[in-house]
Amino acid sequence: QSVLTQPPSASGTPGQRVTISCSGSSSNIESLYVYWYQQLPGTAPKLLIYRNNQRPSGVPDRFSGSKSGTSASLAISGLRSEDEADYYCAAWDDNLSGWVFGGGTKLTVL
Amino acid sequence: QVQLVQSGAEVKKPGASVKVSCKASGYTFTNYEINWVRQAPGQGLEWMGWMNVNSGNTGYAQKFQGRVTMARDTSISTAYMELTSLRSEDTAIYYCARGNGQLYLARFDYWGQGTLVSVSS
Repeated sequence: QSVLTQPPSASGTPGQRVTISCSGSSSNIESLYVYWYQQLPGTAPKLLIYRNNQRPSGVPDRFSGSKSGTSASLAISGLRSEDEADYYCAAWDDNLSGWVFGGGTKLTVL
Repeated sequence: QVQLVQSGAEVKKPGASVKVSCKASGYTFTNYEINWVRQAPGQGLEWMGWMNVNSGNTGYAQKFQGRVTMARDTSISTAYMELTSLRSEDTAIYYCARGNGQLYLARFDYWGQGTLVSVSS
């Protein structure tokens, strides 16, 4: 199983706000930054959030990230059909001296 | 524009090796790290290791130590990942990703299109 824990699935209707959680430990999320990646079906992952809550240029402000202690969250407001994708959290792990990912959350827009 | 273009799909037998390339363009190749991430069919992302393109220094995930080698040819802006002693569990899409920032502060801001490696007897 993954070092970071995410719910396997999430869903919402268009216009709704959904959140995806990511749980880690003191050696990863708590001590350093959290990153979020979006993977649309059949494509490579795309950087969505970096350093807990920063958005790369081109990422809509409907996407936001937060972190508290050993957990982090990705929030998507004004849900749209094109948001249907897999979402992964990631963090550097000091004990493993490497990057760790969550297992991914499949977001369905109903 | 920044692009990472990977080599084509590979089919290998158990015990063989595979070498995947990742050609960078649109930026100064030696100013950024290259990371490798793989994804088994229907599974999540798994980090394999990183390379400082300027120095050639590498760091590998413990799981792949002894089986993976990451290298680069700066003259052609290309990074390589070689995985040896392949087994069926290595069947996956392999991605290269540019690391923007230093090591544990890096964000993977550009990704290659992925290379499918299939391992089957």
